[in-house]
Amino acid sequence: QVQLVESGGGVVQPGRSLRLSCATSGFTFSKYAMHWVRQAPGKGLEWVSFISYDGSNKYYPDSVKGRFTISRDYSKNTLYLQMNSLRGDDTGVYYCAKEGRYGSYYPFDYWGQGALVTVSS
Amino acid sequence: QSVLTQPPSVSGAPGQRVTISCTGSSSNIGAGYDVHWYQHLPGTAPKLLIYGNSNRPSGVPDRFSGSKSGTSASLAITGLQAEDEADYYCQSYDSSLSGWVFGGGTKLTVL
Repeated sequence: QVQLVESGGGVVQPGRSLRLSCATSGFTFSKYAMHWVRQAPGKGLEWVSFISYDGSNKYYPDSVKGRFTISRDYSKNTLYLQMNSLRGDDTGVYYCAKEGRYGSYYPFDYWGQGALVTVSS
Repeated sequence: QSVLTQPPSVSGAPGQRVTISCTGSSSNIGAGYDVHWYQHLPGTAPKLLIYGNSNRPSGVPDRFSGSKSGTSASLAITGLQAEDEADYYCQSYDSSLSGWVFGGGTKLTVL
């Protein structure tokens, strides 16, 4: 079965960096696009980044553009999110999500349990 | 403030029917982008509930249904059960933002 397991969360000071990992199994990693989505405390879900199946396309919302970098390692079937210049409003639970293919539809069909990132001095 | 607007909360008694609305604009739902729905229990992985506006993935009960019209979409849940108590999110794509967008989420309470 499909499994996504995030790691690397923790407490970090403002301005510092953190790298999240998402270990995947149960599907052919190299064939699917992947996303990161976060949830700030008491808030809703916010899309954070996208990487295409072959790594050639990466997209970010303005809130993290220039600070966050998404990448993937096909030898390890692992997705990463490098987060630099962290701010207090980056605090939240970070989920990795697999983009499914259902005909012409591309929902986020599997999600991890999340990794908590707390940015605080 | 979320690009897609959902009511913060809805409630219903066991066995009843509830609907959750998701209102967008001409750059997302109104532009023809598909709407997907997720069920989220705090502390767990969000679960895909409806994809492509009205399709259920394998394993999702037919008590859940989705629809889309114009710049809005809706999720309906019939025969409410205690286990349906969760947060529900709609999601689409926005061409103005060039990115994926979510609704603010709706907390369903089963009375």
